[in-house]
Amino acid sequence: AQKITQTQPGMFVQEKEAVTLDCTYDTSDPSYGLFWYKQPSSGEMIFLIYQGSYDQQNATEGRYSLNFQKARKSANLVISASQLGDSAMYFCAMREANTGNQFYFGTGTSLTVIP
Amino acid sequence: DAGVIQSPRHEVTEMGQEVTLRCKPISGHNSLFWYRQTMMRGLELLIYFNNNVPIDDSGMPEDRFSAKMPNASFSTLKIQPSEPRDSAVYFCASSNSGTGGYSGNTIYFGEGSWLTVV
Repeated sequence: AQKITQTQPGMFVQEKEAVTLDCTYDTSDPSYGLFWYKQPSSGEMIFLIYQGSYDQQNATEGRYSLNFQKARKSANLVISASQLGDSAMYFCAMREANTGNQFYFGTGTSLTVIP
Repeated sequence: DAGVIQSPRHEVTEMGQEVTLRCKPISGHNSLFWYRQTMMRGLELLIYFNNNVPIDDSGMPEDRFSAKMPNASFSTLKIQPSEPRDSAVYFCASSNSGTGGYSGNTIYFGEGSWLTVV
């Protein structure tokens, strides 16, 4: 089974609107971390936000927030007030605490912000 | 602080040649990862090290690929002989594996080595 599933290959959003990028995960480890990365066209991978499995509140970092629904095993990224510079690939990732610290990445979602 | 440093940034080589990609992880990080990214296959984990020891190399495509980490501040990924299908962006990334099974340490990527084999 896929550890991380991102079902939206491409998304479009109007500038200044909010957008949600979906991510579901699969693990039996009670301790894990969920991460989102942004990859603009220049190619670098930029860390955006982290959510721990024991965290009670959803993580937020500026315009980024993580909608963590543990029972559903989902960790959707919400970008508020989209900007043209948000156009990029977005990757969801997971790290399991007790399986050697390997990172698992999803296939990514391409986000295009429309002026 | 310096991030993960990769070299070369770009390399064009002929089929059959040896390619060596280099990586300097963030100081103090004890986990190092090599990823390959292509349009067709996305981001693939090739190998990762904890404390300089290879933990999982199941992603290494074939015997033409080898990776070493002789010390905590340096790693290489070698392709010999190279083939056109090896053309990709190769990322090195590092992380602190933490203690007690903590999963919160994020992974930081280098800028990638863009390899073209002609």
